[in-house]
Amino acid sequence: EAGVVQSPRYKIIEKKQPVAFWCNPISGHNTLYWYRQNLGQGPELLIRYENEEAVDDSQLPKDRFSAERLKGVDSTLKIQPAELGDSAVYLCASSLQGTHEQYFGPGTRLTVT
Amino acid sequence: QKEVEQNSGPLSVPEGAIASLNCTYSDRVSQSFFWYRQYSGKSPELIMSIYSNGDKEDGRFTAQLNKASQYVSLLIRDSQPSDSATYLCAVTYQLIWGAGTKLIIKP
Repeated sequence: EAGVVQSPRYKIIEKKQPVAFWCNPISGHNTLYWYRQNLGQGPELLIRYENEEAVDDSQLPKDRFSAERLKGVDSTLKIQPAELGDSAVYLCASSLQGTHEQYFGPGTRLTVT
Repeated sequence: QKEVEQNSGPLSVPEGAIASLNCTYSDRVSQSFFWYRQYSGKSPELIMSIYSNGDKEDGRFTAQLNKASQYVSLLIRDSQPSDSATYLCAVTYQLIWGAGTKLIIKP
């Protein structure tokens, strides 16, 4: 069974530019999570979806970040415009609904210069 | 501010010994507790989940939960060099993660 797929794996952009990350969860996993992880820290939840509905986006910086999960499968996280402080690893995870036993994709390492 | 605290380490343990990792949390309504392992440059990988007080064993791993004292621990028996990694504790009701404990198993 395929795991969580993310792309791209690496992205280098200049500040003020837009960037988008894509995630395809494990088949059958209704819950999808986007995290940001800085070096030496635990993951920070940005947004959690149950099917198409964003049920927890309290930590998402809504002035520059947006996310969507059309049709309740794939998801895209966007940053526009990017700032230097956005440099981090962006992780996508999925789980069966109600379990929070999460399986992570390989992540996207974003560098903003 | 809900918090999950872990000793950052590094925790150094001889090969074959028991490694003990601890995590405390502040939110008393937390219901689910997870341990993840993260190798350098890789994503977190689920090791154990525990939902009720007591011990839960899976191979060389044992998770222990004490809701009254608000801590959860992970024991790794017969530690192997391949266990060297950062171990992250995650807690729900709100999804909050600790910063992780770096474990080093010395051959």
